[in-house]
Order: sequence, then C-alpha cells, then structure tokens
Amino acid sequence: DAKTTQPNSMESNEEEPVHLPCNHSTISGTDYIHWYRQLPSQGPEYVIHGLTSNVNNRMASLAIAEDRKSSTLILHRATLRDAAVYYCILRDGHTNDMRFGAGTRLTVKP
Amino acid sequence: DTGVSQNPRHKITKRGQNVTFRCDPISEHNRLYWYRQTLGQGPEFLTYFQNEAQLEKSRLLSDRFSAERPKGSFSTLEIQRTEQGDSAMYLCASSLVWTTEAFFGQGTRLTVV
Repeated sequence: DAKTTQPNSMESNEEEPVHLPCNHSTISGTDYIHWYRQLPSQGPEYVIHGLTSNVNNRMASLAIAEDRKSSTLILHRATLRDAAVYYCILRDGHTNDMRFGAGTRLTVKP
Repeated sequence: DTGVSQNPRHKITKRGQNVTFRCDPISEHNRLYWYRQTLGQGPEFLTYFQNEAQLEKSRLLSDRFSAERPKGSFSTLEIQRTEQGDSAMYLCASSLVWTTEAFFGQGTRLTVV
C-alpha cells in the first residue's frame, strides 16, 4: 500500500492561513490524493482531492508538487471550527481503497 | 437523504458476547466501507463492499468478525465472542463507485467490559 507521512501536530492562529504538508514518495500514477478531516466525536469528513493539478473548493486548496511526491492542504483563513485531525490519503484510482494514517492534529488558537 | 446512519451509537457488552452493528448508507451508493478506530489513531480499514459483493477484507478482520450487505443496501458487522481489544469506534462509509468522495457515519462506539 502507498503510504503518506504527515506531522503529528500543528498550531495556527485564528484567521491566518494554514499549510498542512503531506509526503507520499511512493505514489503511483493511478493514486488520487485525498484529504479528510475528523472533528472530535465525529466520523471523517471529505475536504478535497486531486490527481495532478492544484484544486480549489469552498473548504480549502490543494497544492500538488510537480513530481506528485508531496502535497499541501491550504486553509486560507483558519477558524476555531477548523480544529481537527487532518488525514492525507492516497486512493487507488482502480480499486478506490482508502487507507488512513495517523493524520495531523491542527490546533487553532484564538 | 440524511447521510450515512449507524446504529447503535454506543454499545457496552460483556466479554464473550456477540454484537451486531448496522450501517445504512446513502441510498444510491454502491460502495460501503467498514473501519475501526481506537483512541488517538486514524481509522483502520476492515472491509468494503461493492453492491452486495465483499471485495476485500483486511487481515485485521479475524474469524470472529463477519460483515454482510444483503441486496446491496444496508450492511451489518458482527463480532462474535468479543474481547476487550475489540473496544473501539466502528465507522461505516459509503460512496459511488465512479466518484471519489466518501461519506462517513458518526460511528458505533463499542466498549467490552
């Protein structure tokens, strides 16, 4: 299975941008890069995904390195409600399997 | 449709008893996944279904675990002869085969005493 590496924890100040990094050096050509987040006492929630090009949606932006061996989830203005564990996942384009790592716990300070 | 529904939300059982959890996915979703999550860890993949077919099972899914998805609708996860190590949050997710966004339920928290 392709694996991802994320920092265990990060801190941010409210209303500032947050850049959450993810390394995935063993990514294959058919793997999509997905980000989910999990708020306390809830199931994971989809954030964004991409294959090669950078992606934007209402929640966040995803910047993918040219060699696809790393990516960065960007929250443009962190709010207290963004405090969660953020998971970077490689999802096989053929089987759609999803395997989670330990994620990054984001703390947002007021 | 209110999303993925899991029942019960909490279950306390004595060691050695059998338990069964239910997951109702979003109605048109073909794929259904089961995960287990312990405190401080990310969700661990257990198994997934495409319609009624169980396509993959993790090595984590011992012989005491069985999952079904009759008629490709709701799914059940049964644990026989529960052990204290089975205490965890059991999460269900569903998605369409041709899309990549998965929707998770709120989970069933199992405590084995």
